[in-house]
Amino acid sequence: AQTVTQSQPEMSVQEAETVTLSCTYDTSESNYYLFWYKQPPSRQMILVIRQEAYKQQNATENRFSVNFQKAAKSFSLKISDSQLGDTAMYFCASLISNFGNEKLTFGTGTRLTIIP
Amino acid sequence: DTGVSQNPRHKITKRGQNVTFRCDPISEHNRLYWYRQTLGQGPEFLTYFQNEAQLEKSRLLSDRFSAERPKGSFSTLEIQRTEQGDSAMYLCASSLQGTQYFGPGTRLLVL
Repeated sequence: AQTVTQSQPEMSVQEAETVTLSCTYDTSESNYYLFWYKQPPSRQMILVIRQEAYKQQNATENRFSVNFQKAAKSFSLKISDSQLGDTAMYFCASLISNFGNEKLTFGTGTRLTIIP
Repeated sequence: DTGVSQNPRHKITKRGQNVTFRCDPISEHNRLYWYRQTLGQGPEFLTYFQNEAQLEKSRLLSDRFSAERPKGSFSTLEIQRTEQGDSAMYLCASSLQGTQYFGPGTRLLVL
């Protein structure tokens, strides 16, 4: 079974600062994906960034980057130059890429507030 | 690309009634997923379709829950004899491979 743990229920940071959200996961599989999703208040879940486990290079998407430590099973999200629109719940999730077992396993989320 | 759509967006029902939700995936996506999200929690997997075949069901999906995906296009999730514990956001997602894209969800309140 897969598990995903987010140990920071809430975080807040001043606008324009950098913030890092933590995530650890546990899986016995060798082929998997990791994701960060963002869920703004009363709005739908949006993909922020994706990392394939076989890739050593950390994924980046504009102001968002990850620190993927495969041996430590750690997958943190760094948001640079934070903006008010980054205020949201952030969920870390894992997915095993085997046919017939395609479900995402989510952590409990981190509520991020960007302070003007 | 119009994204994943779900209807209705909100549903209030009385305990014991049946409800049905619909999900329309992104048109070229052959995989469709249902999740349930309660307040303050991450989504939990319910079931998964590849085309019209239902390939996996969670233990969360009791006998009162049924999902279909006729012709491998839209999907419906029906809850029979609703209970107050069924109150939650029901999320649908679709994918071609790997990344799942979510709809806006249907928020269910059972009184």
